[in-house]
Amino acid sequence: DAKTTQPTSMDCAEGRAANLPCNHSTISGNEYVYWYRQIHSQGPQYIIHGLKNNETNEMASLIITEDRKSSTLILPHATLRDTAVYYCIPIYQGAQKLVFGQGTRLTINP
Amino acid sequence: SQTIHQWPATLVQPVGSPLSLECTVEGTSNPNLYWYRQAAGRGLQLLFYSVGIGQISSEVPQNLSASRPQDRQFILSSKKLLLSDSGFYLCAWSWVLLQGEQFFGPGTRLTVL
Repeated sequence: DAKTTQPTSMDCAEGRAANLPCNHSTISGNEYVYWYRQIHSQGPQYIIHGLKNNETNEMASLIITEDRKSSTLILPHATLRDTAVYYCIPIYQGAQKLVFGQGTRLTINP
Repeated sequence: SQTIHQWPATLVQPVGSPLSLECTVEGTSNPNLYWYRQAAGRGLQLLFYSVGIGQISSEVPQNLSASRPQDRQFILSSKKLLLSDSGFYLCAWSWVLLQGEQFFGPGTRLTVL
């Protein structure tokens, strides 16, 4: 599995876009990039995933660089409820487990 | 829609006592099931996963065990708890062919004293 590097913590103002980077320079060609978040004292929540193309859903957008060595999760209009730890996880589609690193602790400030 | 239940929500147990945590999934058939643990201030660690009834894979050696007596029931057990077993235990499920997208339960917070 590819290793990832994420900032330990980030702050963002409420209503602004939160951009969370992830470096996964050793990712292999058939590993997807998954993003999860964990709000305090809750289980992790799936956000989005992608392989090569940028992806968007109701929660967020995922931008993957052309060389696939890094990606950015974008929360377009952050709210206080988006305060959480965000995990970037490369994984083969057929793999049977997620490996959670330390993630980025995102704090949304009023 | 699918839902996942875990109980109890919190548990305080003395060292050396047994443990049984239960997880059930509704609204789907033949899911993959997972047990994770998160120690205080640490990341999530996969403990066990199951692809079917009676099929359990262990990820780390420990004094915990898991069983899957029914398709949508996953149980985490211990005969004798250690202090180091304290943590937040999470059950999750996934579709068989989309294992990167896992759905987590509310968790059980276990404190061993």
